[in-house]
Amino acid sequence: DVKVTQSSRYLVKRTGEKVFLECVQDMDHENMFWYRQDPGLGLRLIYFSYDVKMKEKGDIPEGYSVSREKKERFSLILESASTNQTSMYLCASSLVVGGEQYFGPGTRLTVT
Amino acid sequence: GQNIDQPTEMTATEGAIVQINCTYQTSGFNGLFWYQQHAGEAPTFLSYNVLDGLEEKGRFSSFLSRSKGYSYLLLKELQMKDSASYLCAVRDKGMTTDSWGKLQFGAGTQVVVTP
Repeated sequence: DVKVTQSSRYLVKRTGEKVFLECVQDMDHENMFWYRQDPGLGLRLIYFSYDVKMKEKGDIPEGYSVSREKKERFSLILESASTNQTSMYLCASSLVVGGEQYFGPGTRLTVT
Repeated sequence: GQNIDQPTEMTATEGAIVQINCTYQTSGFNGLFWYQQHAGEAPTFLSYNVLDGLEEKGRFSSFLSRSKGYSYLLLKELQMKDSASYLCAVRDKGMTTDSWGKLQFGAGTQVVVTP
């Protein structure tokens, strides 16, 4: 079974803090994704990566950056957290480009 | 890009059938996925359609009409555990690396199954 894990289920941070969200997958997938999920808006793609050290902007990259130093790990960074970044963050991975994506359990981030 | 529409909520009784519609507008279609997401959990893959027609998987079936930009997910013999959000996602057929393979998700349809 593919397993995608995320470092925290719940996180509370203050405005202006630097926040790191970690995602690890154990199935040697090339492709990894970061989404945020908000009521009424569905899942929106923040960044994705097709390979180590490679990253591409998704639909809403502003205020975020990512890091992929190892194949199994994809990190999402909020350089200076703001209240409008309060959301559920979901990481996903896929074996082939455009293939079925496997999701982690999500991190519910609250920025106060 | 894509524009994906699905109903916000549907209610049905145990044992019944529910059909969740998804319409999309896209500059380049390359497949449609359905995911199930229980409250507080990760989305899990249900089905994938890239050609027109019906794909059946047990109690769940998914249909696609590319010419109409339309899909539906059919849930038969509803069970209480089917209460969840159902997400329609369209895969882009981009011409460049930065768009191919990305999924665009609808807002999800919350299905409530009542006894």
